[in-house]
Amino acid sequence: AQRVTQPEKLLSVFKGAPVELKCNYSYSGSPELFWYVQYSRQRLQLLLRHISRESIKGFTADLNKGETSFHLKKPFAQEEDSAMYYCALNAGAGSYQLTFGKGTKLSVIP
Amino acid sequence: NAGVTQTPKFQVLKTGQSMTLQCAQDMNHNSMYWYRQDPGMGLRLIYYSASEGTTDKGEVPNGYNVSRLNKREFSLRLESAAPSQTSVYFCASSPDWGQPQHFGDGTRLSIL
Repeated sequence: AQRVTQPEKLLSVFKGAPVELKCNYSYSGSPELFWYVQYSRQRLQLLLRHISRESIKGFTADLNKGETSFHLKKPFAQEEDSAMYYCALNAGAGSYQLTFGKGTKLSVIP
Repeated sequence: NAGVTQTPKFQVLKTGQSMTLQCAQDMNHNSMYWYRQDPGMGLRLIYYSASEGTTDKGEVPNGYNVSRLNKREFSLRLESAAPSQTSVYFCASSPDWGQPQHFGDGTRLSIL
């Protein structure tokens, strides 16, 4: 069975400090990993996916198969980054079974 | 900005009552999904529809039925509501199969 673990329920950082939101997964095959974000009073939305290898709003995430991790990083936190972040895993091509982590609430202190 | 529209936003039911949650998207997406989110939990997939005319069970389908009425609409029905179905329900859509990209605002459902 696939599993996604986000070890921190809450992460507080100061504005301008680096941010790392941790995500570890358990899956024996070749997964697809995603990060979703929900800003206050807004809808949940897809932030980025590992296959795109993109940077969105300054955030990047690298899939580390050896450590089974997909941590979300940003070098300099902004107040507008405060939100709820969810890591999610898809079992691969053709699968609709997206498994979500429980989420980490990021609070950026001005 | 419509995107994915869910109705109602809030609902209180008594055990045993039935109701249908409505979802519509205006992005011409092929795939649609229903998730539930319980306190302190991640979203769990109830049902999905890869394309118009098809529906499939997700992780937690028991107690629910769905209908993909047309390409725009995907409804979720509780035939006989139970307190364990108290949750926040999210509808989502995506252009193709795979991960949902756009979510609705959610329906907060309480069953007494």
